[in-house]
Amino acid sequence: DAGVTQSPTHLIKTRGQHVTLRCSPISGHKSVSWYQQVLGQGPQFIFQYYEKEERGRGNFPDRFSARQFPNYSSELNVNALLLGDSALYLCASSPRDTYYSNTEAFFGQGTRLTVV
Amino acid sequence: KQEVTQIPAALSVPEGENLVLNCSFTDSAIYNLQWFRQDPGKGLTSLLLIQSSQREQTSGRLNASLDKSSGRSTLYIAASQPGDSATYLCAVHSGSARQLTFGSGTQLTVLP
Repeated sequence: DAGVTQSPTHLIKTRGQHVTLRCSPISGHKSVSWYQQVLGQGPQFIFQYYEKEERGRGNFPDRFSARQFPNYSSELNVNALLLGDSALYLCASSPRDTYYSNTEAFFGQGTRLTVV
Repeated sequence: KQEVTQIPAALSVPEGENLVLNCSFTDSAIYNLQWFRQDPGKGLTSLLLIQSSQREQTSGRLNASLDKSSGRSTLYIAASQPGDSATYLCAVHSGSARQLTFGSGTQLTVLP
């Protein structure tokens, strides 16, 4: 079975540009969460989607947005990129809504975004 | 607000040694705690999941314990190998929260 897949694996963008990152969850998983990990730190929560609805949002500016599609895949969009957005962006999938369930999160390999 | 701390930030040991990594959290109302492994520039690999009702979990040479009342978890690695070299992250899923809260990790180096 395929795990969580993310694309692209690496990306270089210029300040002010827009970027879209993609995530396909494990088959049968309906919850997708996005995390940002800057070098030397633990991942920070950005969004959680379940059944195509935003269910949770971390402390990130409105430049960050996301959506989940009917097949449960997800996109993370970042507008007006800043140098500080350079990070590893991780996607995690879970079989159920993480608010109610005592469940395990499975992470993808991440997208390394470099803003120059 | 849940806060997770991992000590030490880095650890270097000779091959074959048994070692313990520590994780502490401030809010004991948790659903579960997960330990992850992260290789440089890579994603997270789940090692062990301990549910709030459990005291420990074992997988191969790894054993994780959980003491909710004191807000602590430990990851015990037996007979360490150079292939165990990686960053180990613990993450807490708090009750009434949707996200995992991570520590900053312990960077482990096992010397041959």
